[in-house]
Amino acid sequence: QLQLQESGPGLVKPSETLSLTCTVSGGSISRSSYYWGWIRQPPGKGLEWIGSIYYSGNTYYNPSLESRVTISIDTSKNQFSLNLNSVTAADTAVYYCARGGSSYHSPLSLWGQGTLVSVSS
Amino acid sequence: EIVLTQSPGTLSLSPGEGATLSCRASQSVSSSYLAWYQQKPGQAPRLIIYGASSRASGIPDRFSGSGSGTDFTLTISRLEPEDSAVYYCQQYGSSPWTFGLGTKVEIK
Repeated sequence: QLQLQESGPGLVKPSETLSLTCTVSGGSISRSSYYWGWIRQPPGKGLEWIGSIYYSGNTYYNPSLESRVTISIDTSKNQFSLNLNSVTAADTAVYYCARGGSSYHSPLSLWGQGTLVSVSS
Repeated sequence: EIVLTQSPGTLSLSPGEGATLSCRASQSVSSSYLAWYQQKPGQAPRLIIYGASSRASGIPDRFSGSGSGTDFTLTISRLEPEDSAVYYCQQYGSSPWTFGLGTKVEIK
């Protein structure tokens, strides 16, 4: 069955770039016409959609983060990635990767377990 | 951006009782692109309802969703201890996708 796993540094310094990768196992990103997304959740708070990417590479970002975010996909590695630059303490959160559906207007039907990223010097 | 307001903030109920959770949108959610997620402590959210009223795979029929436009409801009948969680609504009809702040369901 399909599984998603986030990976990356758990600690990032202010003003630097947060980089995370989501590895998809149990299925091929390139053979399935799905949208893949990133969502974050600050400790004790609610959920925020960061952005999504189609398997073909088309990207969609939350306007509140768009100037700092890049989402990319590497079908050869069955992975998609998140880069968030110029981070501050406000970017401290659990970051989740998730799979959407075959339409942009699809719910997030499968989630990774999440990874906590702290921004601190 | 569409703001989703969930109420109540917390529900404390006994096993076997029913729960009604509300999600109100600041503007109409197109095509009922409204989902509900369940999140237990230390876990990722799990999709339970999509399209306002369709149950996701493996979700028991005690969970049901309804509503359209700006008013949506998640109903949990015959509460069980494992239903204790925070429930979030999300709209995926208009960018940016947005989530409500959640309703915490406590089982006494």
